Amino acid sequence: KAGVTQTPRYLIKTRGQQVTLSCSPISGHRSVSWYQQTPGQGLQFLFEYFSETQRNKGNFPGRFSGRQFSNSRSEMNVSTLELGDSALYLCASSFEAGNYGYTFGSGTRLTVV
Amino acid sequence: GNSVTQMEGPVTLSEEAFLTINCTYTATGYPSLFWYVQYPGEGLQLLLKATKADDKGSNKGFEATYRKETTSFHLEKGSVQVSDSAVYFCALTNAGNNRKLIWGLGTSLAVNP
Repeated sequence: KAGVTQTPRYLIKTRGQQVTLSCSPISGHRSVSWYQQTPGQGLQFLFEYFSETQRNKGNFPGRFSGRQFSNSRSEMNVSTLELGDSALYLCASSFEAGNYGYTFGSGTRLTVV
Repeated sequence: GNSVTQMEGPVTLSEEAFLTINCTYTATGYPSLFWYVQYPGEGLQLLLKATKADDKGSNKGFEATYRKETTSFHLEKGSVQVSDSAVYFCALTNAGNNRKLIWGLGTSLAVNP
């Protein structure tokens, strides 16, 4: 079966712009989580959606937002980009958050210049 | 709160050497524990997991045992290969933190032929 698909794979944006990243989970998975990975901070949790509702949120500013559609596909948006937002953004899906483990996509590499 | 501590890398081994990557955790209750692997330029892959004390997760020759008495989940492999070169992440989820993944900082492994 198809894995978790993230688009685009690479993105270059200018400070102040906004960006939208997309994630298509494994068919049947209802939970989608987003993580930011940077060399300095490691992996940090952004938010989790389950059945179109945000169920968990990490400690990121309001510039970071997300949503989930009825087909479980999810998008995250970052507005007013800053240089420090440059990172690998990873999406993970799970049938149900918790003990089942998560399947990750290959990520979107965002570079802010 | 919940946290994961991994041994710092990088770890450099020769092919066929024995591998141990230490992971300890702090959590209330009974977390589930995971090892993920990230190959260069890719997203994270679930390597193995354990959901209760004394469980042993295993996959691709890697093993880790959930030790509640020492709050540890050390990753081991008897004979590493060059293809095992990657970054390894220890993580946990816990009902007390709404089951979001809490990550260690990762341990880079390089295996030389």
